[in-house]
Amino acid sequence: NAGVTQTPKFQVLKTGQSMTLQCAQDMNHNSMYWYRQDPGMGLRLIYYSASEGTTDKGEVPNGYNVSRLNKREFSLRLESAAPSQTSVYFCASSEDWTKNTEAFFGQGTRLTVV
Amino acid sequence: LAKTTQPISMDSYEGQEVNITCSHNNIATNDYITWYQQFPSQGPRFIIQGYKTKVTNEVASLFIPADRKSSTLSLPRVSLSDTAVYYCLVGDPLAGTLVFGKGTRLSVIA
Repeated sequence: NAGVTQTPKFQVLKTGQSMTLQCAQDMNHNSMYWYRQDPGMGLRLIYYSASEGTTDKGEVPNGYNVSRLNKREFSLRLESAAPSQTSVYFCASSEDWTKNTEAFFGQGTRLTVV
Repeated sequence: LAKTTQPISMDSYEGQEVNITCSHNNIATNDYITWYQQFPSQGPRFIIQGYKTKVTNEVASLFIPADRKSSTLSLPRVSLSDTAVYYCLVGDPLAGTLVFGKGTRLSVIA
């Protein structure tokens, strides 16, 4: 039972490079989320997908794009990485966003932009 | 968005009961209160959720007063392995988000 799987676990980018963070869940959840966590801070929501085929902005969407490829997969893309995007990125999923049900998180992707 | 306020940090000795209180003055009628635990280099993990009164599971208890403007997570007899950051979340169905604050960093001392 894998739960939420994120790839890669670590990544170093140069300023201006692009990359896509991958996330997949095997729990048949409807809703998926991308968060970032900076040192000493709580998690801040970047984008979420309430259900397959929909995506919405969270608290800090600038500089990111997302794709809900299918029910299982939700990817986060950085088109032109900036040092301010150095952070740990967490993907999460839950059964239904409207019910505040338990969310399951991946292990995180530690991204450094130099 | 429903906002939460928690102490930044707490210290406790092993074997003690720890109570972490969270304030959420603008909680909405349909909101549930959820607590997560996060260890270093890991994603948050669900601990407990409640709507009102008291909820207990094998890990913790959650106390919610009648006005629901605050909640208290109670960890019985903590051990060193309970050292983590604890987040209180209040659901906001209109925004469809899990809103994390900065959490409470609990340090358990031997």
